Amino acid sequence: GQQLNQSPQSMFIQEGEDVSMNCTSSSIFNTWLWYKQDPGEGPVLLIALYKAGELTSNGRLTAQFGITRKDSFLNISASIPSDVGIYFCAGYDSMEYGNKLVFGAGTILRVKS
Amino acid sequence: ETGVTQTPRHLVMGMTNKKSLKCEQHLGHNAMYWYKQSAKKPLELMFVYNFKEQTENNSVPSRFSPECPNSSHLFLHLHTLQPEDSALYLCASSQAPWTSGTYEQYFGPGTRLTVT
Repeated sequence: GQQLNQSPQSMFIQEGEDVSMNCTSSSIFNTWLWYKQDPGEGPVLLIALYKAGELTSNGRLTAQFGITRKDSFLNISASIPSDVGIYFCAGYDSMEYGNKLVFGAGTILRVKS
Repeated sequence: ETGVTQTPRHLVMGMTNKKSLKCEQHLGHNAMYWYKQSAKKPLELMFVYNFKEQTENNSVPSRFSPECPNSSHLFLHLHTLQPEDSALYLCASSQAPWTSGTYEQYFGPGTRLTVT
C-alpha cells in the first residue's frame, strides 16, 4: 500500500536550536497532518493542512503543505526539552476512497539540555 | 485530554486467553478506528467504522474481532493471540470525511498488549 517517506529517522539537537523534518509521498495528497507522540501515550494532533502551499503555525511549530501536494514540512523553532518525542506525518491520498490515513514511520527527536 | 479514552492501559495475556479492549470517544464523532503500533513500524490501520458500520478490515487475522455498538464505543475482542501480536493498540475517532470535509483523527492513549 501507499507509504510515506519521513526524514530524518531521528535527530539529536541542542536546546534552543531549530528543527526541520519532512515527509514525501509518491502520489498527490489532499490532506497532511502532523502528530507528536510521547512515550506511553497516543499521538496528539499538532497541525492539519488542507491546501497546497498552506503554511500553518501552532506556537513554535510551523508546518507547510508542499505546492506539489506530494510533501509536507514541519519546523520547530527554539527547541526545548519537552519537544522530545516522536513526530509523525500522516496524509490522505486523493485517489483513495474512504477515510484511511497513511502514516510515516516517525522522526524521533531528542534534545540535549 | 479525555476526548478518547482506552481501557485497560496495559494488558498481559496468555495465548489461550480471551480479552477485550475498550475505547470511548467523547467528541461527538461518527467514525472510529483501531490501529496497531509496533516498534519501528508505521501505524497499521486495522479496522474502520463509520456510523457503527465496519467499512474497512485491513486484512486483519480473525483472532482480532471488533465491535462497535454505537458511535461512541469501540471494542476489540482478542482470542488465541500470538506473541507477535504484542504491540500498542490505539483507538482513534474522527468525523466521517464526507460529512465534515476534514480528515483529522484523534487518538486515545493506547493499550500496551503483551502476549506471553
